[in-house]
Amino acid sequence: EVQLVESGGGLVQPGGSLRLSCTAFGFNFYNYWVAWVRQAPGKGLEWVASIDPHGNDTHYVDSVQARFTLSRDYAERSLYLEMNNLRADDTAIYFCARDTFGVFDFWGQGTLVTVSS
Amino acid sequence: EIVLTQSPDTLSVSPGERATLSCRASQTVGNNYLAWYQQKPGQSPRLLVYGASTRANGIADRFSGSGSGADFTLTISGLGPEDSAMYYCQQYSSLPRTFGQGTKVEI
Repeated sequence: EVQLVESGGGLVQPGGSLRLSCTAFGFNFYNYWVAWVRQAPGKGLEWVASIDPHGNDTHYVDSVQARFTLSRDYAERSLYLEMNNLRADDTAIYFCARDTFGVFDFWGQGTLVTVSS
Repeated sequence: EIVLTQSPDTLSVSPGERATLSCRASQTVGNNYLAWYQQKPGQSPRLLVYGASTRANGIADRFSGSGSGADFTLTISGLGPEDSAMYYCQQYSSLPRTFGQGTKVEI
C-alpha cells in the first residue's frame, strides 16, 4: 500500500525557517517524482514544488522560488522541504504527493505550517 | 501559466441525481493533461480522473471525465451523501502545475 507520511509542521515567526519531511512507503522511491502541494486555511490547492527521481531536477512555483529548497534522501526514503524567510501567506497545510508525470496520484495526510508572530 | 476556472462554485443536488462540473482553461491544455480530485472535509485530496477521461484505480464508474482543448467536464451520476465534497481540476501539461479554485458539491 502506497503511503506518504509528513512531519515537521508547526508555528514559526515571519522570516523564520522550517523543514518539512515526507517518508514514502509501498512503492519504489527511486522511480518517482515527488511533490509538495499546499492548502491555505479554507482555500484551494496550490502546487509548491516537485523533484525528479534522481534528485537532480527541481521545479518551484514562483512565490517560493529562492526561499524553499527540495531534497531527497534515498536511504531514508524521504523528501525534505527546507523553507526559509517564511511569510504569513505561507501558512497552509502542506501535503506530500507522489507525482506521476504531473498527476498527484497518492497524497499524505498533510502537516500544518503556521507563520505568525 | 495556465489558469483554470471551475463552475459553478457550489452545486446543490438531490440524491440519485447527476452533477456536471466544468473546468475551463485560459489556454489549450496540451495532450489533454487534465486531472480531477475529490477532497472531503478534513481529508487529503484523492485522484479521480487523469488524462481528462481515464478513471484512477478503484474509482467508481459513476465518475466520468470528458472534454478536450480548454474545456473539460466531470460528471458524477447516481449521487449519494458520500459524494459531498470539493472537486478540483488540475492541469499538468505545463509548469507551474495549476489547480482550479474548486466546486463544492452538496447533496
